[in-house]
Amino acid sequence: QVQLVESGGGVVQPGRSLRLSCAASGFTFSSYAMHWVRQAPGKGLEWVAVTSYDGSQTYYADSVKGRFTISRDNSKNTVYLQMNSLRVADTAVYYCARDNGAFDFWGQGTLVTVSS
Amino acid sequence: EIVLTQSPATLSVSPGERATLSCRASQSVSSMLAWYQQKPGQTPRLLIYGVSTRATGIPARFSGSGSGTEFTLTISSLQSEDFAVYYCQQFDDWPRTFGQGTKLEIK
Repeated sequence: QVQLVESGGGVVQPGRSLRLSCAASGFTFSSYAMHWVRQAPGKGLEWVAVTSYDGSQTYYADSVKGRFTISRDNSKNTVYLQMNSLRVADTAVYYCARDNGAFDFWGQGTLVTVSS
Repeated sequence: EIVLTQSPATLSVSPGERATLSCRASQSVSSMLAWYQQKPGQTPRLLIYGVSTRATGIPARFSGSGSGTEFTLTISSLQSEDFAVYYCQQFDDWPRTFGQGTKLEIK
């Protein structure tokens, strides 16, 4: 069965960096684009970034452009989100999701808290 | 950016009754619209994609309709497990965007 497992969240000070990982299993990872979506506490869903199936194309939300980098390693069935210059407003649960047009599978999420 | 506006923000309905949730797009998204359900403390779950196609395992009481800029999610006979927050999402253009959500609560 399809599984997506995020890791790497934690508490970090403003201005610092963090790298999230999402390990995939149960499907041909290299055939699918992958997304990161976040949800601030008590708020709605916000799309963050996408990488194409081979990593050659990426897109970002304006709110993270220039600070976050999405990448993937198809040999490890893993997608990453490198988050630099973190802000308090980046505090959220970060989900990875598989692209099948819509987002048909989601991980359980990893919490990132940016606080001094 | 395509803005999705959901209404109402909160909908109170009794079990067994019908619920109708709306999603309006700021410009046409063709048929590239999906609906998700999220229960407290849980991951979003895909319900409907391509406006009206139910995802795997989704009961027939969930249905989607609409086109262009106006979309509707209907739950025909509410069960206790259906009370949750529902989000619409467009996958027609970048950036992908979500509506702000409709909270479906028990009346």
